[in-house]
Amino acid sequence: DIQMTQSPSSLSASVGDRVTITCRASQGVSNYLAWYQQRPGKVPKLLISAASTLQSGVPSRFSGSGSGTDFTLTISSLQPEDVATYYCQKYSSAPLTFGGGTRVEIK
Amino acid sequence: QVQLQESGPGLVKPSQTLSLTCTVSGGSITFGNYYWSWIRQPAGKGLEWIGRIHTSGSTDYNPSLKSRGNILLDTPKNQFSLKLTSVTAADTAVYYCARDQWGRVVDWGQGSLVTVSS
Repeated sequence: DIQMTQSPSSLSASVGDRVTITCRASQGVSNYLAWYQQRPGKVPKLLISAASTLQSGVPSRFSGSGSGTDFTLTISSLQPEDVATYYCQKYSSAPLTFGGGTRVEIK
Repeated sequence: QVQLQESGPGLVKPSQTLSLTCTVSGGSITFGNYYWSWIRQPAGKGLEWIGRIHTSGSTDYNPSLKSRGNILLDTPKNQFSLKLTSVTAADTAVYYCARDQWGRVVDWGQGSLVTVSS
C-alpha cells in the first residue's frame, strides 16, 4: 500500500508569514491528492483536491501544487483562523490513505 | 446539502463488536456516483480510513483492519453501517461517517466517540 508522509509534523509561524507543508507519497499517485483542514475540536474540511483545485469558499491564500510523489500546500499569508492540523490524502485507489498531519500554530 | 449523523453505543467491551450507523439526510443514499465511508481518529492522533461502500454495493477496506470490518447499505432507511469485530483498546476513537466523491471526502458527520473498555 502507498504511504503518505507529511513534513513538518508541526510548525509555528507569525501572522502574515508564508507557510509551506509538504506531502510525499511512497509511490506515484498522479494528481489524486487532497488536502484537509481540521481546526481544533472540529470536523475535517476539504480544502484542495486534484492536488491544486481549491474547493468553493476556500480563501485564495491557500494553494496546492505537485504531481506524482511530491506535493505542497502553501498558505501565502497565515491568518489566526488558519490554526489547524492539515492532512494530505491520496485517492488514486483504495485504500485511501491520509498523511500523519501537520499542526500549524501562531507564534 | 447532504447531512450525515453517526449513532451507536459509546462504550464497547474488548473482544466484542463495534456497531455504528450513519443516517443520511438531504439526499438519497442511492443517488449519484458516491461512496459512503467510515474514517476514525484516536484522541490526539491522525485520521485513519476504515473503508467505504459504493451505491452499487461494492466495498473497499483498509487492509490494516485484517478483515474485521464490514460496511453495509440500508437503502430503505437511507443509512449505512459499520461493524468492527474483535475490538481492542486500540479501536478507541472518534468515528466519522462521510461521503466520498471519487475518493475525496466531501461531506463529514460530526463524529461519534467509541471507547473500548471493560
